[in-house]
Amino acid sequence: GAVVSQHPSWVICKSGTSVKIECRSLDFQATTMFWYRQFPKQSLMLMATSNEGSKATYEQGVEKDKFLINHASLTLSTLTVTSAHPEDSSFYICSAPGGSNEKLFFGSGTQLSVL
Amino acid sequence: QQQVKQSPQSLIVQKGGISIINCAYENTAFDYFPWYQQFPGKGPALLIAIRPDVSEKKEGRFTISFNKSAKQFSLHIMDSQPGDSATYFCAASFSYGGSQGNLIFGKGTKLSVKP
Repeated sequence: GAVVSQHPSWVICKSGTSVKIECRSLDFQATTMFWYRQFPKQSLMLMATSNEGSKATYEQGVEKDKFLINHASLTLSTLTVTSAHPEDSSFYICSAPGGSNEKLFFGSGTQLSVL
Repeated sequence: QQQVKQSPQSLIVQKGGISIINCAYENTAFDYFPWYQQFPGKGPALLIAIRPDVSEKKEGRFTISFNKSAKQFSLHIMDSQPGDSATYFCAASFSYGGSQGNLIFGKGTKLSVKP
């Protein structure tokens, strides 16, 4: 199946710094990518939909100025957590529809810990 | 309402037994129902999916049963193995233009298969 690569797999940062997470579709083009957030032992919550060449669409309650999304090419979307705080610590996962039947494939996730 | 309700929250099954996880949805416009398997520290992986025009789909040891009138669907894992121990998420979405769009996830079921 289609492969979605997410990097880094984990990151530790100090409070107030910014962290960038990359999501790449390795063997297919993705005009749309989705960013999810998952707290321990909880479900995935959609944060935003990333659209190549245009602005991202954010879900209600997600601060677009804090979670900057850039989808500059058909194979890369990035999520930047700006001025990170401990409450931003979470597991962030990207996904993209791919393959002939447009199933949704997920990256391996990024565990963010903000000290 | 776009909720997807999943039960049980956790499940312990003996090796060789049948694992059954249930989900219920409210929005009759949903037309794609996938199940995802997630291991700790990893992104979800698509296990099996069904559309409302069929009542059952089987792939290997995994079967989805779908009851459109009751707005319920379930995952059955036959001959459960310790390697099946993971968290399972049901989901639902509206498909558009052939793509699955964003997914509404259930809260997850942690399955433990005892040897």
